[in-house]
Amino acid sequence: DIVLSQSPDSLAVSLGERAAINCKTSHTVFYNSNKKNYLNWYQQKPGQPPKLLIYWASTRDSGVPDRFSGSGSGTDFTLTISNLQAEDVGVYYCQQYYTTSGDRTFGPGTKVNIK
Amino acid sequence: QVQLVQSGAEVKKPGSAVKVSCKASGGPFSNYGFSWVRQAPGGGLEWMGGIIPKFGSGNHAEKFQGRVTITADESANTVYIEVRNLRSDDTAVYHCAREQMGGTGALDIWGQGTMVTVS
Repeated sequence: DIVLSQSPDSLAVSLGERAAINCKTSHTVFYNSNKKNYLNWYQQKPGQPPKLLIYWASTRDSGVPDRFSGSGSGTDFTLTISNLQAEDVGVYYCQQYYTTSGDRTFGPGTKVNIK
Repeated sequence: QVQLVQSGAEVKKPGSAVKVSCKASGGPFSNYGFSWVRQAPGGGLEWMGGIIPKFGSGNHAEKFQGRVTITADESANTVYIEVRNLRSDDTAVYHCAREQMGGTGALDIWGQGTMVTVS
C-alpha cells in the first residue's frame, strides 16, 4: 500500500500571507503513460464534508480560487495557499490514486489556522 | 447540480450491522464511480471502498475484507455500504463521494455524511 505523510501537522499563518503544505508518498504516483501525477488535495472545514481543490497534483477544480495552487511530481508534492483568507481555515488532506485496484489513500491532514 | 443525500444517523450495538445509503440526484449515475470514506471523531479520512454501478460489484480496502459490502441500485440511483460485526472503533462519520470523470481518482461531489455510533 502507498502511504502518505504530510508536514507540518499544523500551521498558523497571518492573513494575506502564504501557507505551504507538503505531502510525501511512499511510492511514485506518476504515470509515464499519460505524464500525470495521481495526487489530489482536499479542504475540510469543521462540520462539513471535504471539498476537492486540486487534482492531478496541479489542476484546480472548477470554482476553486486561484490562490490555491499545487505542485510537485513523483513522491513530493506541495499545496500552496497564497494571500491566506479567513475562510481558508480548515484541515487539508492529500490523496493518491496510483493503483490498478482503484484503492485510494489519504494523508493524515494538516490543520491551517490564522495567526 | 448533482447532489448526494445520505441516510440518517444510526446507533448500533457491537457485533451488529449497519447499512448506509447514498442517493444521487440531478445528474447521471450509472457511469460514475462512487466511494465510501469514513472519519472517526477528531480523526482523518479513511477510504473504505468503491463501486461503479453499471459494473455491479464493488471493491474495498483490504482492512475491511469480509466485513464490508458495497452495492448499488441503478433503478434508485442509490449506493449502499453495509458494515458487519461492528466494533466501537467503527464509530465514525461515513461519507459517500462521487468519483470525478476522467480517471483522475479525485472525489468531486460529497454527501453530507452519516454518523454511525457503535455503543
